[in-house]
Amino acid sequence: DQQVKQNSPSLSVQEGRISILNCDYTNSMFDYFLWYKKYPAEGPTFLISISSIKDKNEDGRFTVFLNKSAKHLSLHIVPSQPGDSAVYFCAAAGGGADGLTFGKGTHLIIQP
Amino acid sequence: EPEVTQTPSHQVTQMGQEVILRCVPISNHLYFYWYRQILGQKVEFLVSFYNNEISEKSEIFDDQFSVERPDGSNFTLKIRSTKLEDSAMYFCASTQPGPSGGNEQFFGPGTRLTVL
Repeated sequence: DQQVKQNSPSLSVQEGRISILNCDYTNSMFDYFLWYKKYPAEGPTFLISISSIKDKNEDGRFTVFLNKSAKHLSLHIVPSQPGDSAVYFCAAAGGGADGLTFGKGTHLIIQP
Repeated sequence: EPEVTQTPSHQVTQMGQEVILRCVPISNHLYFYWYRQILGQKVEFLVSFYNNEISEKSEIFDDQFSVERPDGSNFTLKIRSTKLEDSAMYFCASTQPGPSGGNEQFFGPGTRLTVL
């Protein structure tokens, strides 16, 4: 039962262009959403988060958009840089200090 | 910048043996977690710990697993009798939820457990 879905296993984007990573969820009880970046043999690194009371949160090159009615969120990276090549995980929680439910990840490849 | 640390980085054990994975969470954090990632699969929540007791656990976290905060800095995951299917990366995480209810969890580098 996949409560958090990342339907694109991989995404290739040219350096300097916008990368858009998508995530869908099914559990209406989720009210906090996070994006993590992961390199091989390392732990997930927190990137950006959004509460369900917002529809957008921006931090430098990273922006997360939340569409609650569609149960959909996306991460925009602009401009994309070679160091952005990694696996990106979408995660969700019910609030407070709940354990996170992760998607399967999207492997982002930035082409020079 | 403070970070979560984990030891060992790689643990090899025989099936049926006990293993203890160790973590030092970020010092002012009060909530601690263990997750695992089987090769090629997603990161899965195991257990959360707060105020010296388990606050939440998943169905993966059965009787062969236990957690402990033996002192003021370490947080451990014990697997009593390892099985082949316990082979995975185990990640420790910690957080201190903010006033707005944020749950940004910070992860350690992981321990790769190999059960032979």
